[in-house]
Amino acid sequence: QVQLHESGPGLVKPSETLSLTCRMSAGSVSNYFWNWIRQPAGKGLEYVGRVSPNGDSNYNPSLRSRVTLSIDKSKNQISLRLDSVTAADTAVYYCVREKVGARYYFDYWGQGTLVTVSS
Amino acid sequence: EIVLTQSPATLSLSPGERATLFCRASQSVDNYLAWYQQKPGQAPRLLVYDASNRATGVPARFSGSGSGTDFTLTIYSLEPEDFAVYYCQQRRDWPGITFGPGTKVDF
Repeated sequence: QVQLHESGPGLVKPSETLSLTCRMSAGSVSNYFWNWIRQPAGKGLEYVGRVSPNGDSNYNPSLRSRVTLSIDKSKNQISLRLDSVTAADTAVYYCVREKVGARYYFDYWGQGTLVTVSS
Repeated sequence: EIVLTQSPATLSLSPGERATLFCRASQSVDNYLAWYQQKPGQAPRLLVYDASNRATGVPARFSGSGSGTDFTLTIYSLEPEDFAVYYCQQRRDWPGITFGPGTKVDF
C-alpha cells in the first residue's frame, strides 16, 4: 500500500513563505503526476496545482501568482512553495497522487499536514 | 470557474436505507466528475470517477450517474462505515479543478 507523507513547518508568519515536502513510501515519484489540495478546518477542498514527472507544473488560477510546485528526483520527493501567505492560507495541505490512467482524479492521499498562518 | 453545488447539505438516514446525493455544475463538465468520501480526521477517498466508474476496491453499493450538469451518487443500503461527508469534483476546467461544498450523511 502506497503511503504519502507531508512534512514542513506547522506555523508560518504572515507575508512569509510556506514550504512543504511530500515523500512516497515506495516507488519513484518520477512515475506519477502529483497534486496538492488544501482544506481549511471544517471547510471544503481547494485545488492548488499539479507537477508532472518531467517537472512541468500547472496551478489553480486563483493561486498561480504565489505557488510553485517542483519534483526532486534525487530526493524522491515533491515540494510546494506558497509565497506571501495570509491567514486565508491556513489549512490542512494534502499531497495527492493522480490516478494512473485517469488524469486529474486523485486516488492516493497523504494524511495531510496542518499549516497555520499566524504571527 | 465552474461552480459545483451539492444537495442536500445534510442527509439524515439509518443503516440499510438508500442515500441519494446530488451535484450540479454551473456549466457542462461532460462526464468529468468524481465523488470522494471523507471521514473525520481522514483524507478523502476516491469513490467514483468519470461520473460512473467505481474506483478500485469501492463496494458495489456505491453508484454514480449523470452527465453534463447534473450528477447523482447513490449508496444502496447504507452501512455504518458510510456515514461521512461526500464531495464531488470536476476536472473539465483543469487546472481550475473545483470541488463541491459537500454533503454530510449522518444518522
